[in-house]
Amino acid sequence: GAGVSQTPSNKVTEKGKYVELRCDPISGHTALYWYRQSLGQGPEFLIYFQGTGAADDSGLPNDRFFAVRPEGSVSTLKIQRTERGDSAVYLCASSKTASSGGELDTQYFGPGTRLTVL
Amino acid sequence: AQTVTQSQPEMSVQEAETVTLSCTYDTSENNYYLFWYKQPPSRQMILVIRQEAYKQQNATENRFSVNFQKAAKSFSLKISDSQLGDTAMYFCASRNNAGNMLTFGGGTRLMVKP
Repeated sequence: GAGVSQTPSNKVTEKGKYVELRCDPISGHTALYWYRQSLGQGPEFLIYFQGTGAADDSGLPNDRFFAVRPEGSVSTLKIQRTERGDSAVYLCASSKTASSGGELDTQYFGPGTRLTVL
Repeated sequence: AQTVTQSQPEMSVQEAETVTLSCTYDTSENNYYLFWYKQPPSRQMILVIRQEAYKQQNATENRFSVNFQKAAKSFSLKISDSQLGDTAMYFCASRNNAGNMLTFGGGTRLMVKP
């Protein structure tokens, strides 16, 4: 079946602008995750949704970052007043469950959105 | 909090040979899960293999196997019969039993040479 999809693939914006990054999870997956991957580093957790609600947003770096998942499927990561330090690849992942403790919690990733802030 | 460390920034191996990538981790959880993900230039993180900490038997997936040493908190990945398509970044990751965030290491860049 279809995997996790993310749009746009690449986004170039100017410092101070607002951007939205979209994630479409695997159909039937209830859990959705956002990660940020800076150049040469491993991904870092931002936020996790169980259904429509943000179950853990402890990784969001500051209040310029916000994410929603209004219908429990597609999610949008929103960044206000972008800064050059926000430049990174933003990865989205989904899993069938998130608390079963088994293989159904395995996270499957999308191809990411490369954000460049000039 | 969990931490994951990959001490080899880069590795290379000849095609058809075997290579081992190292990973150590730290966690206060009694039960947790460990993963190796592959990230080719396309950026997509692809799951290679997973290991449940309460299982003593090392996981295997075709040419990929792990050496899980729970007491030493070590989780290395062995790739046998290396292929050119194995060239990629490899990330080790851990996840607690609550099933939410993955904690990743810094990655190892693997180059398979013809």
